[in-house]
Amino acid sequence: DTEVTQTPKHLVMGMTNKKSLKCEQHMGHRAMYWYKQKAKKPPELMFVYSYEKLSINESVPSRFSPECPNSSLLNLHLHALQPEDSALYLCASSQGILRRVRTDNEQFFGPGTRLTVL
Amino acid sequence: DAKTTQPTSMDCAEGRAANLPCNHSTISGNEYVYWYRQIHSQGPQYIIHGLKNNETNEMASLIITEDRKSSTLILPHATLRDTAVYYCIVNPLNFGNEKLTFGTGTRLTIIP
Repeated sequence: DTEVTQTPKHLVMGMTNKKSLKCEQHMGHRAMYWYKQKAKKPPELMFVYSYEKLSINESVPSRFSPECPNSSLLNLHLHALQPEDSALYLCASSQGILRRVRTDNEQFFGPGTRLTVL
Repeated sequence: DAKTTQPTSMDCAEGRAANLPCNHSTISGNEYVYWYRQIHSQGPQYIIHGLKNNETNEMASLIITEDRKSSTLILPHATLRDTAVYYCIVNPLNFGNEKLTFGTGTRLTIIP
């Protein structure tokens, strides 16, 4: 199984709602990522989890709250979003590094969740 | 992180080789060159990566110049399904996390 799955595919929410995006992989990868992609722009990194610990937060506003409950799952909790947060949210995973020996560490991306904030 | 420069767009005839250039003149000795592509409405897809030597896999070939300041991705027999945005990314050697910084990429259109 070389697939990263994301649910839901589409999400429409109001500015006062609380919602969550879910990402799952069963490749045994130990690094997982959230990216945000606005229309006609490249993906931008938001968060990186390594071995279920948050290792990179790219100064993302606190209305986005990531969570990694286990090595296969990554969630992004959303609260009090703004219309400008409407975007495609992409999840990715990669092997991670074992014993400080570099392995092929390409990232596998899911199809994304298209979020619209009204 | 080193920055990359790519043409904004390119066209290629179906069945011909597509050659996508990338400049990365400030690349450091321990930085790899990665290529990803993103087909419309899909997540990015890894294509190939290399450090110094030329690389080939089932999808593409990567040619890196001897001074490592530029590279070319070659799709040997382009098909309509290769129409996508192609991103050249220079990635430092990080133990633990790979922080991909996407540039604006090259929009490749394969013409029937």
